[in-house]
Amino acid sequence: EAQVTQNPRYLITVTGKKLTVTCSQNMNHEYMSWYRQDPGLGLRQIYYSMNVEVTDKGDVPEGYKVSRKEKRNFPLILESPSPNQTSLYFCASSPARGGVVNEQFFGPGTRLTVL
Amino acid sequence: GENVEQHPSTLSVQEGDSAVIKCTYSDSASNYFPWYKQELGKRPQLIIDIRSNVGEKKDQRIAVTLNKTAKHFSLHITETQPEDSAVYFCAASYFQKLVFGTGTRLLVSP
Repeated sequence: EAQVTQNPRYLITVTGKKLTVTCSQNMNHEYMSWYRQDPGLGLRQIYYSMNVEVTDKGDVPEGYKVSRKEKRNFPLILESPSPNQTSLYFCASSPARGGVVNEQFFGPGTRLTVL
Repeated sequence: GENVEQHPSTLSVQEGDSAVIKCTYSDSASNYFPWYKQELGKRPQLIIDIRSNVGEKKDQRIAVTLNKTAKHFSLHITETQPEDSAVYFCAASYFQKLVFGTGTRLLVSP
């Protein structure tokens, strides 16, 4: 089954404790991206990647890191989480043929709470 | 950078009525405009999209119109049904970034 998976789905942590949210897709998509969703603010792009070893900042990259060592995986790293990073996080992938953004296929979401 | 504004934030209609959601964007370089539907507790899913070389696109009860000169695009849903109740997001893509609007909560009452 074609899908985007994220783990964990729920996470409660404390300020400053490094964490990683994994994202994997099995559709051979070139483009992968991370978004955070907050009430009243919609979806905001954190980072995106057009292909392996290519990553770029979205609109809200501060406090986050990503890597794209393999085409299928795009982990989101919070080196020192803070309470303002409490949010619902979505990973997405897309077949970006010719460098053009297309339909985003979203993962199920990860609800993160930082105390 | 790109900025996308979406209105209204909430919209209540009776079943069978039409619903219109409007978005404006700021960067004339944007060339891809998708609409996503997010049901409660679920992930966003694409319902329709349009590229800047097209003015209108229809898919059954859903249509999107794009006015490049005015930099705005709209989602039209006809003959609304209770299952259309959800949050709808517009977005605009420039280069490889994707910027979303803040969402419209649509409530369709039977």
